[in-house]
Amino acid sequence: QQQVKQSPQSLIVQKGGISIINCAYENTAFDYFPWYQQFPGKGPALLIAIRPDVSEKKEGRFTISFNKSAKQFSLHIMDSQPGDSATYFCAANPTGTASKLTFGTGTRLQVTL
Amino acid sequence: NAGVTQTPKFQVLKTGQSMTLQCAQDMNHNSMYWYRQDPGMGLRLIYYSASEGTTDKGEVPNGYNVSRLNKREFSLRLESAAPSQTSVYFCASSPGLHYEQYFGPGTRLTVT
Repeated sequence: QQQVKQSPQSLIVQKGGISIINCAYENTAFDYFPWYQQFPGKGPALLIAIRPDVSEKKEGRFTISFNKSAKQFSLHIMDSQPGDSATYFCAANPTGTASKLTFGTGTRLQVTL
Repeated sequence: NAGVTQTPKFQVLKTGQSMTLQCAQDMNHNSMYWYRQDPGMGLRLIYYSASEGTTDKGEVPNGYNVSRLNKREFSLRLESAAPSQTSVYFCASSPGLHYEQYFGPGTRLTVT
């Protein structure tokens, strides 16, 4: 059962543009929403994360927006660069568990010159 | 400080063969995890160990067994490999009190 739905499956953005990846969840008992970045042949690495008590978190060019009432959260990459080309996964952690993440299906981002 | 290490990097098995995937972390983390990654499916949790001495099933545990050998090491065993277990396997660890998971480089397994 897919509790975290991620879209789009793939995304092509020009250099300097804004990349937007969306996720929606079905279970209200999630309390932590991380985003992971994965380059080909590598393991995923934590990019940025948010908890539901804030609506937005920004780290450099990466911003998470969180809408608790809509059960949605999104990743915005400002001024996208070719080095950002990777697969991005959203995830959600159920309340009260020891980091038992449920992942989205991933978005393959390609940033063109 | 190597983080999370996995061996082997690649493996080809015939149907019915068995093997153990090894994982070790040097970050003194309490929790460890095994995931499989398949195209279009994201990462799915196979088994996890919240702390040394405990293991629990994840989303897709059938056909696998795990051992938390000590705080550093968490192995995944396939007793009788099947083609459906062809995948990339990732081990991860977490401090436990926080939620960040740190992933290893993965093992690419092909079962023919």
